[in-house]
Order: sequence, then C-alpha cells, then structure tokens
Amino acid sequence: DAGVIQSPRHEVTEMGQEVTLRCKPISGHNSLFWYRQTMMRGLELLIYFNNNVPIDDSGMPEDRFSAKMPNASFSTLKIQPSEPRDSAVYFCASSLTGGVIGGQPQHFGDGTRLSIL
Amino acid sequence: EDKVVQSPLSLVVHEGDTVTLNCSYEVTNFRSLLWYKQEKKAPTFLFMLTSSGIEKKSGRLSSILDKKELFSILNITATQTGDSAVYLCAVFTGTASKLTFGTGTRLQVTL
Repeated sequence: DAGVIQSPRHEVTEMGQEVTLRCKPISGHNSLFWYRQTMMRGLELLIYFNNNVPIDDSGMPEDRFSAKMPNASFSTLKIQPSEPRDSAVYFCASSLTGGVIGGQPQHFGDGTRLSIL
Repeated sequence: EDKVVQSPLSLVVHEGDTVTLNCSYEVTNFRSLLWYKQEKKAPTFLFMLTSSGIEKKSGRLSSILDKKELFSILNITATQTGDSAVYLCAVFTGTASKLTFGTGTRLQVTL
C-alpha cells in the first residue's frame, strides 16, 4: 500500500521566493496534518484538516504560511515570501479520524527538507 | 498550553543493555498517548496507549501508561544497533485529532 507521499524531497531556494510543498495522504484517510521539525523545537503541528476542512491553524507561524486541501487526495503548504528561518523538515501525516476515544495513529510521509538561503 | 516532556534528551548504551525512556505530560482533555520511532526520515508508529496499567508489547519493546501520575515509559530490552533512533512521545488531546509531540529522546546503541 502506498503511504503518505510528499514532494519535493528536498528544496533549496533563495529567501523571498515562493515555496510550495505537496502531500498526497493515504487513500481513505480523512485527517491530514502538516508538521515542521527543527532541532531546536522538535515536531510542531502547523495545521490540520478533517474531511478537507481546516480545523486548527493555530500553529501556522505567520501570514506567510498558507495551506490548502482542495480534495481528499491532495494538500499544499505554501510559504511566500520564504525566509532563512523557515529552513526545516516539513512532514505531512494522515490518519482516520478517531472520534472521542483518542484518534488513530498518524502515518507520516518522508518529509521535505527545505533550505532557504 | 499542552506540554509533553521527554527524558533523557539523549542516551548512549551498549548493545544488549535495557533502556527506559520517559514521557510526562500536562495537557487538557487527555485522550491517548502514542510512541513513535524516528530514524532518518519519517516517524513510524510504535504504540498507542489509552488505559492506565495495561502494558503494550511488541517484540523487545513495551510501553505502559500511568494516567494518575501523567507519564508513560517505553522499555527496550536487549538493545540492538538498529534501535538507534529518536523516540518521540505524543499526546492526543481534545475531541479532534490534534497531537502534541515531545522533543524526543535520541538513543544510540553501540557495539
């Protein structure tokens, strides 16, 4: 079975440029999550969607970050304009919605390693 | 603000040793606690714990949750070099699927 697919695997760009990260969740999963991982702060949740609707974007650092999920099989995370402090590994994860009990395990993609020069 | 704290931050052991990794949490509306293993790429799921005192086991790995004292431990017996990784603890809170992660414990197993 295909897991969560992210692209690109690596991105190196100059500050000020627009960056778009892409994610295809596992088929049938109805929750999708974007995380950022750095050495200093670990894994931070940026935003998550349930049935394509953004539920909580309180982790999005600032207006330069935006995320969309136009359909159940695709999501994007966009940074415009990018800054060196945005350099990190960005993970996408998906899961089935677990309801009241406690959710279902999230399955992670391999991440996009972003370097802003 | 929900908080998940892991200890130790890093650990170096010899192959064959037994290790215990700790995770404590202060969150509102706790639902469940998860352990993940992260090697070079994506975190991979290990365990999900919802009830106190019930041990989850998978091979040489086991984990248990104490909801009264708000912590969990992950045990690895007879460690192998392939166990070298960052082990992440995360807590589900609220009625939605929001996970709060700890910063992880970096385990290195040497020959």
